[in-house]
Amino acid sequence: NAGVMQNPRHLVRRRGQEARLRCSPVKGHSHVYWYRQLPEEGLKFMVYLQKENIIDESGMPKERFSAEFPKEGPSILRIQQVVRGDSAAYFCASSPGPGTGQPQHFGDGTRLSIL
Amino acid sequence: DAKTTQPNSMESNEEEPVHLPCNHSTISGTDYIHWYRQLPSQGPEYVIHGLTSNVNNRMASLAIAEDRKSSTLILHRATLRDAAVYYCILRDWPGGSQGNLIFGKGTKLSVKP
Repeated sequence: NAGVMQNPRHLVRRRGQEARLRCSPVKGHSHVYWYRQLPEEGLKFMVYLQKENIIDESGMPKERFSAEFPKEGPSILRIQQVVRGDSAAYFCASSPGPGTGQPQHFGDGTRLSIL
Repeated sequence: DAKTTQPNSMESNEEEPVHLPCNHSTISGTDYIHWYRQLPSQGPEYVIHGLTSNVNNRMASLAIAEDRKSSTLILHRATLRDAAVYYCILRDWPGGSQGNLIFGKGTKLSVKP
């Protein structure tokens, strides 16, 4: 079974450009979570999605950031007009259900660097 | 989710057991205790979880105090590959936050050959 696949692994953007991060969950998992890890800091929750629905976006910055998990295809985290402070590792996780007894399976992240 | 307290760092020798403590004095009756670890340059990896009883799996054991105010992750025989940051996380069941994990600073485990 393939685990959570994230691509690209590394992404370099100039200030003002757009960044698109992709996440394919474990096959059969319909719940996806995005986390951000700034340099030398812990992981912070950003958004929780089910297929075609955003369940909890309380950790998402109000501007420039958006996420989707369409019926078909991977989940996408989109950052518009990137700034230097967006440089971080972005991790996606998936689970088969929302239950808090369900472990989350993480990808190896996308490392975003802003020039 | 309730707060947990872990030591910032610990050291172990290869092939020896490691006991990683976690205090969670404000744990509620419905909080599960989860452990994840993050190896360098990788995403977090689920290790184990439990509610009241001690738990064992192929990776580790989880010992939960009788009053549930603390727990210990036990790696029976540390290897170099176990060097990672270990996170102890409480998750409320069935309600609470919708499912996201709240990561603290964790314990950075170093394993010496």
